Parts: sequence; structure tokens; C-alpha cells
Amino acid sequence: SQKIEQNSEALNIQEGKTATLTCNYTNYSPAYLQWYRQDPGRGPVFLLLIRENEKEKRKERLKVTFDTTLKQSLFHITASQPADSATYLCALATGRRALTFGSGTRLQVQP
Amino acid sequence: ETGVTQTPRHLVMGMTNKKSLKCEQHLGHNAMYWYKQSAKKPLELMFVYNFKEQTENNSVPSRFSPECPNSSHLFLHLHTLQPEDSALYLCASSQDRISTGGNEKLFFGSGTQLSVL
Repeated sequence: SQKIEQNSEALNIQEGKTATLTCNYTNYSPAYLQWYRQDPGRGPVFLLLIRENEKEKRKERLKVTFDTTLKQSLFHITASQPADSATYLCALATGRRALTFGSGTRLQVQP
Repeated sequence: ETGVTQTPRHLVMGMTNKKSLKCEQHLGHNAMYWYKQSAKKPLELMFVYNFKEQTENNSVPSRFSPECPNSSHLFLHLHTLQPEDSALYLCASSQDRISTGGNEKLFFGSGTQLSVL
């Protein structure tokens, strides 16, 4: 069956460290993958998009990698801050007319 | 503000009520979506509209009835819901429909938190 799995439901790290979130998928061949941030009581907000032929994308303190052989994307936040605390969702463009989302990882950055 | 506005923000309804959720986007986008988000579950796609035409219905029960009168407005009409329908209902839009050749990203509203008693 098709699945999108994001590592541990919650991730706690210290301020200043690098947070690494994982998105694994099975039985999909996504053309591209996106990461979103969701704060409590709000809708998700787009962060980054990476295509299947790209290995890495960066935006300020954010970095995304995409390994189609491993069927995995890693999302890194360097020099993390308490304001980075949120739930992060990965989403795949799989050929349907909409994105398919993982269940998210809740990141908590401790001061 | 993302440019996508949903009303109401919160809604409590009984199982015999009829209510409607409203979504409006001010971004000039052509595609609009309804997603359902339940606690600890992934976002579930419900409906997709492209240029006002429904292009996907993800096996949603008929007690949920979407309406898209134009590319800027999307409604979700609710009738005889069940308690398990309680969830956050999110509307989203994109410039064009999601496709494997594009780079479309979704712009979400803040959602309607629905409680069915």
C-alpha cells in the first residue's frame, strides 16, 4: 500500500542545534516533494519544494534533500530557535490532482 | 495572511443541522481544494476544483456537498453529520492544478474547527 511516514510524532531539541526531520514514502514515484509548516489552529504554510532530479535545496536556515533511491526526504533547520517550534508536514505530488500529505512531525525547540 | 479566508473559524452543530463552510481566495488562483484534518492523522483530500469544475471527489460521503460558483469562492455544505466528522476543515488554492510537470504550491486558509455533537 502507499504510505508517507514522518519520523517520530514529536522531536525535542535545544536552541542552536540542527533539527533533522525525515519523510519516507513507499509505493509512490513523486515528481516533487514539498515541506510545509503548521502552527496550532492555523493552516499549513509552504516552505520549500524540491523536484525529483534535484538533490538539495536551501532557503536561509532551511535545507531539504531528496533521495529517490532511498525514497526519503530530509528537512534540516540549522541554528534552531524557539520560534521554529511547529508541526512540519511533507507532501508529495504523486500524479493525482492534489498533494498527498504525511501526518507531520511536531518540533519543539527548547530555549 | 495567506490570501485565503475561511469562515466561520469555529462551528458547533448537532447531527440534524445544516450548515455551510465558506472559503474565499484573493490570489487569482484557478484551483481550490477542501482537506479534512483530524487529530494525529494526515490531511485527507476531499474535493478538488479547477476553473470551477470538480475534478476530484475522494470518495467523500454525500453528507458533504461542495459548491464552487466561481474560481474565487468555495463552499462546503454540511448535512446530518456524525460525531466522527469533527475535525479541522481546510481550504486551499493554487495558481493551477497540481500536476507532475508543475511547481504548484498550496495556499491554505486558517480552517474551520468543526465539532459535531
